[in-house]
Amino acid sequence: DIQMTQSPSSLCASVGERVTITCRASQGITNSLAWYQQKPGEAPKLLLYGASTLESGVPSRFSGSGSGTDYTLAVSSLQPEDAATYYCQQYYSAPQTFGQGTKVEV
Amino acid sequence: EVQLVESGGGLIQPGGSLRLSCAASGFTVSTNYMTWVRQAPGKGLECVSVIYGGGTIYYADSVKGRFSISRDNSRNTLYLQMNSLRAEDTAVYYCARASGGYHLGYWGQGTLVIVSS
Repeated sequence: DIQMTQSPSSLCASVGERVTITCRASQGITNSLAWYQQKPGEAPKLLLYGASTLESGVPSRFSGSGSGTDYTLAVSSLQPEDAATYYCQQYYSAPQTFGQGTKVEV
Repeated sequence: EVQLVESGGGLIQPGGSLRLSCAASGFTVSTNYMTWVRQAPGKGLECVSVIYGGGTIYYADSVKGRFSISRDNSRNTLYLQMNSLRAEDTAVYYCARASGGYHLGYWGQGTLVIVSS
C-alpha cells in the first residue's frame, strides 16, 4: 500500500495567518490526491481533489498544489471556523490511504 | 440528494461478528465506487475496504480475511461483514461514496463499533 506522511502533526496559528500542510507519498501518485477537513464528532468533508481542484462550496482561501510525491494544502487567511483536523488521501491505488492528520488550532 | 445512513454498530465481544449496513438514497450503489473508512478513538482515518462499480474489491491488510464488503442492489445498500473482531477494530465506521473520480465526496454519519469483553 502507498504510505502517506503528513506534516506537521499539529499547528497553532492566528486568525488571518497563512498556513500550509504538506503530504508526501511513498511513490508517485500523479495528482490523485484529496484533502479532507474533519471537525470533532463529524464525518470528514472533502475540500480539494486532483491535488488542486476546489470542491464546490469550499471557500477560496483553501488551495492545493504539488506533483509527483509531494503535495501541499494552504489556507491563505485562517479563520476561526478552520479549526479542525486535516487529512490528505491518495486515491491512485486501492485501498486508498490517508495521512495521519494535522490538527489546526486557531 | 445523496444520503448515506450507516447502522449495525454496537458493543461486541472479541472474536464475535457484526454486519454494518449503509443505506443509500439519491444514487445507485451498484454503479458507484463505495468504501468503508474507520476511525479509532482519537486516531486518524483508515480505509478498510472498497468496492468498484464493476465489482472489484480491495481490503486493507489489517482486515483481510476477516472483513467482507458486499452490496444489495435491490435494497441499494452497502454492507461490511466483520468476523473475528479484535479490540483494535474498535472505531467509528463510515461508508463513503466517490464523487467524480475516486475522491470521497459523500459520507455517512458513521456507526460506532466497540469490541470489548
